[in-house]
Amino acid sequence: QKEVEQNSGPLSVPEGAIASLNCTYSDRGSQSFFWYRQYSGKSPELIMFIYSNGDKEDGRFTAQLNKASQYVSLLIRDSQPSDSATYLCAVSPPGTYKYIFGTGTRLKVLA
Amino acid sequence: NAGVTQTPKFRILKIGQSMTLQCTQDMNHNYMYWYRQDPGMGLKLIYYSVGAGITDKGEVPNGYNVSRSTTEDFPLRLELAAPSQTSVYFCASSYPDRGYEQYFGPGTRLTVT
Repeated sequence: QKEVEQNSGPLSVPEGAIASLNCTYSDRGSQSFFWYRQYSGKSPELIMFIYSNGDKEDGRFTAQLNKASQYVSLLIRDSQPSDSATYLCAVSPPGTYKYIFGTGTRLKVLA
Repeated sequence: NAGVTQTPKFRILKIGQSMTLQCTQDMNHNYMYWYRQDPGMGLKLIYYSVGAGITDKGEVPNGYNVSRSTTEDFPLRLELAAPSQTSVYFCASSYPDRGYEQYFGPGTRLTVT
């Protein structure tokens, strides 16, 4: 089993819809969870991080964490064409200073 | 602040050649990382460092070496380049706080032929 799994997509949603991106992880002791956005040919940029079970909202973005089920998700409300990118989930294993990245989900927002 | 800078942006190497990818950060971050990203894939950790003089292997260290003599610089050395090392290389840095938010450089696109 891969340590961090994401559906590679592409996930296509119409403009204005909610995009839902999911990520599962294998290390039950993981404490920190991150979502990065990466435009084609560019470097990753942090969108959100979450540590506690439940939801965390920041503008149009909501991260959801369920440690019992070992998944973390990212919701993007009112999706815009400019949200079209690859979204990388990253998990920090316990007691480490590093991330394990998933392979990313490519999101396409159709105008 | 320039953030994290990487040089060169692009490089073509012949099989068996060696080179050093440069990475510098001006944010006084303790932690620095080297990743590689193959097409359509996520990021794989090559090496990381938690401070000057301290380095450790990541998931895919074979064929690479690093050093960390200063807080600012974290060069990645490729010895005897192989086609399998064709990739985009990203350097990142972070503070050692709970967030560990990583700031990425612009990347180096390397082709080995």
